[in-house]
Amino acid sequence: KQEVTQIPAALSVPEGENLVLNCSFTDSAIYNLQWFRQDPGKGLTSLLLIQSSQREQTSGRLNASLDKSSGRSTLYIAASQPGDSATYLCAVAYSGNTPLVFGKGTRLSVIA
Amino acid sequence: GAVVSQHPSWVICKSGTSVKIECRSLDFQATTMFWYRQFPKQSLMLMATSNEGSKATYEQGVEKDKFLINHASLTLSTLTVTSAHPEDSSFYICSARETSGRLTDTQYFGPGTRLTVL
Repeated sequence: KQEVTQIPAALSVPEGENLVLNCSFTDSAIYNLQWFRQDPGKGLTSLLLIQSSQREQTSGRLNASLDKSSGRSTLYIAASQPGDSATYLCAVAYSGNTPLVFGKGTRLSVIA
Repeated sequence: GAVVSQHPSWVICKSGTSVKIECRSLDFQATTMFWYRQFPKQSLMLMATSNEGSKATYEQGVEKDKFLINHASLTLSTLTVTSAHPEDSSFYICSARETSGRLTDTQYFGPGTRLTVL
């Protein structure tokens, strides 16, 4: 069964800290991996998409890495801000036409 | 970027009534759309795959007679929750993948519909 696991489930950090969110997946034959942000009661905002042939993607203060062979991805957030507080979801696609398999998310709180 | 809309954004209904949720791809065509459900503090779980012009494919444990899916055009899929009960209260999100490959190879998500059944 294809599963995606995210650790930690929740994280609270003071403003300004750099932090890492972890994602692991059981089946390494992925097509791509995506990180999303979800604010309470809201939909998904796509942050970064990494194709299976790529090792990392960067957008502003965010950097996502992918190690397909070990079934892992990390989302690095630099200089965290209170506005970064949200739930971060990792999701894996196994082909271009199949649905995403989501992790349960990491709930991040950045304290001012 | 590509936009997917959902309507309504929220709905409150009485137990036993039916609720229709629309998912539209606004600026691209989508042969395939996916419907997910998210319970409080849980992740998104796939309910069904909606295919234009054919029957939807449901995930194990999802009742096809209760959650009716119609994908009548390349830009619209509807999910109807029939005889809704309080346990159906959830956040329903759709996603769509652009058919022609013109856009980046990703799925675009709607903003979600929050259903509350009293």
